[in-house]
Amino acid sequence: KAGVTQTPRYLIKTRGQQVTLSCSPISGHRSVSWYQQTPGQGLQFLFEYFSETQRNKGNFPGRFSGRQFSNSRSEMNVSTLELGDSALYLCASREVSNEQFFGPGTRLTVL
Amino acid sequence: KQEVTQIPAALSVPEGENLVLNCSFTDSAIYNLQWFRQDPGKGLTSLLLIQSSQREQTSGRLNASLDKSSGRSTLYIAASQPGDSATYLCAVDPSGGSYIPTFGRGTSLIVHP
Repeated sequence: KAGVTQTPRYLIKTRGQQVTLSCSPISGHRSVSWYQQTPGQGLQFLFEYFSETQRNKGNFPGRFSGRQFSNSRSEMNVSTLELGDSALYLCASREVSNEQFFGPGTRLTVL
Repeated sequence: KQEVTQIPAALSVPEGENLVLNCSFTDSAIYNLQWFRQDPGKGLTSLLLIQSSQREQTSGRLNASLDKSSGRSTLYIAASQPGDSATYLCAVDPSGGSYIPTFGRGTSLIVHP
């Protein structure tokens, strides 16, 4: 089976812009979670989608949003980018065993 | 609120040593615990998953144990190699079906030849 894929791998944006990141889970996995990783805060949970519904949400402002499509692919969007949004964004998928499998991440730099 | 602590934060050892990495958690109401490795700038690679009813899991040179009552897990790496150099993270899934894992900050491991 192909692993979790994320696109794009690298992004450079300026403050105030918005960005959309994409994640394709492992085939058959219906749960997709998003995380933000920074040196200062470590890995922080953003949200989780299951069967096109947001099932869980972390403690992030409303500028961070996401969605999941019928084929389980997921996107996350960040609007009005701030310098502090610079981070590695990771998505993970899982099935009933609850073992999480991560993608390679998208490195977002906000200038 | 669940808190996960990993000790040590960093470790540098010569090749061939057997290693123990520690992960402690404050709330024993967990569903499972998962160990990952992360290479610089990359995603996380799953190493071992231990369900709450299990005591340990093994994969090759890796062995992970779980003691829920004391809130501890250890990752044992036998005969370390330079290719084991990475950051090792543990993550705890809570029971109750919230599916919001709590991650430790990781142990940064360097194995030098």
